[in-house]
This record gives sequence, C-alpha cells and structure tokens, in this order.
Amino acid sequence: AQSVAQPEDQVNVAEGNPLTVKCTYSVSGNPYLFWYVQYPNRGLQFLLKYITGDNLVKGSYGFEAEFNKSQTSFHLKKPSALVSDSALYFCAVRPGGYSTLTFGKGTMLLVSP
Amino acid sequence: DGGITQSPKYLFRKEGQNVTLSCEQNLNHDAMYWYRQDPGQGLRLIYYSQIVNDFQKGDIAEGYSVSREKKESFPLTVTSAQKNPTAFYLCASSIARDSQETQYFGPGTRLLVL
Repeated sequence: AQSVAQPEDQVNVAEGNPLTVKCTYSVSGNPYLFWYVQYPNRGLQFLLKYITGDNLVKGSYGFEAEFNKSQTSFHLKKPSALVSDSALYFCAVRPGGYSTLTFGKGTMLLVSP
Repeated sequence: DGGITQSPKYLFRKEGQNVTLSCEQNLNHDAMYWYRQDPGQGLRLIYYSQIVNDFQKGDIAEGYSVSREKKESFPLTVTSAQKNPTAFYLCASSIARDSQETQYFGPGTRLLVL
C-alpha cells in the first residue's frame, strides 16, 4: 500500500524568502506524484504533478517540485514567497496502473510580511 | 474549482437523518470521487466511480452511499449509520481513472450536526 508523509505540520517563512514544503512517499513501482493547495473553506487546487521525465517539475503560481527517487521525496519549492501563498498544501501519490490517490495530512504554510 | 459544483455549501443534519450532498461536473470526465476532510487527517476516500452505473468503496465507505445515474452527477448520501458525519466533503473528477490523470476538485460542502 502506498503512503505519503508530510513531516511538518506548519512552515513559517518571511515574504521574499525561498520556501520548501517537504513530502516523502512510499509506493510499489514508479510513483505518480501531485501537489495541491487549499485556501480556507475552499476545494483543492492542482499545482503540479510528476509523471516521468525531468525531475524538476514546474507548476502554477511559480511553484516547482523536485522528484528524488533515491530519497523517495517530492519537495515543493518556490524561490520567493508571497503572503498570498499562505495556505494548506497537500502532497499525494499513486502507483502506476489503476489505483487510488493517497494524500498526506497537509502542511500549513504561513508567509509573514 | 471551475467545472465542478457542489451544493449546498453548508448542510445541517439532525440525529437519525439522511442527507444528500450534490456534485455536478461539466468537464465530461468519466471518473468521479468523494473525499472526507477532517482537521489534521488529510483527505480520505469515501467512494469513487469510473463510469456511469458503476462505483466502488473507498477507505471509509461505512455510513455513506452513492449513485452514478448520469455521467455529470455523483451525489453522496450521508446516512444515519454514520455516527460522526461532521466534516468537510470534497468531490473530485478526472478524465479517467488512470494513474496519470489529475483530479480536479469542487469547492466542498461542510456538514454539521445539530
């Protein structure tokens, strides 16, 4: 069975500084990895996904994520944080084939002015 | 949230009452999903459907039921058997239930017990 760990419940960063939200996974075979963002009382918005190819994936709103197979990680990054990036971020994984998507518990990102 | 609508935004349930949450999509997606979100627990899959008139149980299906009579609609009923229904419910859809396909989410329904 697949699993996702987001080791930090909350990440604090000052506006303008780089941010990283961590995600590690466990899955049989090649993983398909996703990042979503959720603003208060809203649904999840898709940010980016890794399927195959280049380990650095670029997504919406200036976010990117790096797939590291040896460390089984898929950390979300942004070079310069904005206050408006403050939200709840979810990492999700599913193995190849027909299977369900497994979500991490989420990481709250707080960007201070 | 575009293309997937959920209603109502807030729903109140009395003890012993069944309530139905609506989910509609105009994306022509084959697959649809229902998730439950509780604080600090991430999203847990309740039910999913790959195609009309077919659906499968997810990880926490007990106390819930669904139907898929039309491609664009996937309503969720929270029955009286669900003893702890207070949560945020999210509907999602994807082109197909292939691993590569992105799931897109609706705005959610918050269910509260009176």
